[in-house]
Amino acid sequence: SQQGEEDPQALSIQEGENATMNCSYKTSINNLQWYRQNSGRGLVHLILIRSNEREKHSGRLRVTLDTSKKSSSLLITASRAADTASYFCATDANDYKLSFGAGTTVTVRA
Amino acid sequence: DAGITQSPRHKVTETGTPVTLRCHQTENHRYMYWYRQDPGHGLRLIHYSYGVKDTDKGEVSDGYSVSRSKTEDFLLTLESATSSQTSVYFCAISPEGGNYGYTFGSGTRLTVV
Repeated sequence: SQQGEEDPQALSIQEGENATMNCSYKTSINNLQWYRQNSGRGLVHLILIRSNEREKHSGRLRVTLDTSKKSSSLLITASRAADTASYFCATDANDYKLSFGAGTTVTVRA
Repeated sequence: DAGITQSPRHKVTETGTPVTLRCHQTENHRYMYWYRQDPGHGLRLIHYSYGVKDTDKGEVSDGYSVSRSKTEDFLLTLESATSSQTSVYFCAISPEGGNYGYTFGSGTRLTVV
C-alpha cells in the first residue's frame, strides 16, 4: 500500500502566487523526497529531506518535514506556467525502495 | 532522460501474450526499479533489483517477472498479459537505493486489448 498521501489532490493558482501541498505518511522514514511529473513524461527528482532535517530550500522550492506528525509540505513560491505539473512525495523507510503517493496536480493560470 | 532509456515507448498487445519491456542505463547504478502508474494510484512498485541477478518483489508483482543479467539492463516481463496490466510503466535507477534521488525513464505506455 502507499506510504505517502498528498493533499490536496488538485490545486489551481494564478501565476505569481504560491502553491502549497502536503504529504502525510504512516511509518518511520529515513528520508522523504519530492518529484515533479509533467504531462506524458517521467518523474523528475526535486528535493530530498532527511529525517533529522526540518526544512530545506532549493531555488523557489521550500520543503518542511515534521516527523512527529509524519507529514511534509512543499511550497513553490512565485509560481510560473512551467510549474504546471503533478507533484509526488516519496518516502524511504530504509529498505532500498521508495513508496510514492498518488500526487497533487497543480495548474498555474496565466 | 539522460542515462536511462526505456523501450518500447508504446505497445499494444493482445490478452494472453507475453510482453517484455526493457530498461537500459548507462550510469552504472546498482539499483533499478519497475513501477506502474495508474490514475488515482500514483506509482506502485512491481519489482526491483539491487545488483546483477539480485531482484525482489514489490507490492504489485503478481503476473510480472524480471531479470537482470547485466548491470545496465533490467527487463520486465508480463508472462500472459491481461487488461488489468494496461498501464504506464516506469523504470528508475539509483546509486544508493532509497537513500538517493531516483532518475526515471520516460515510460512505456502499454495497452492490452
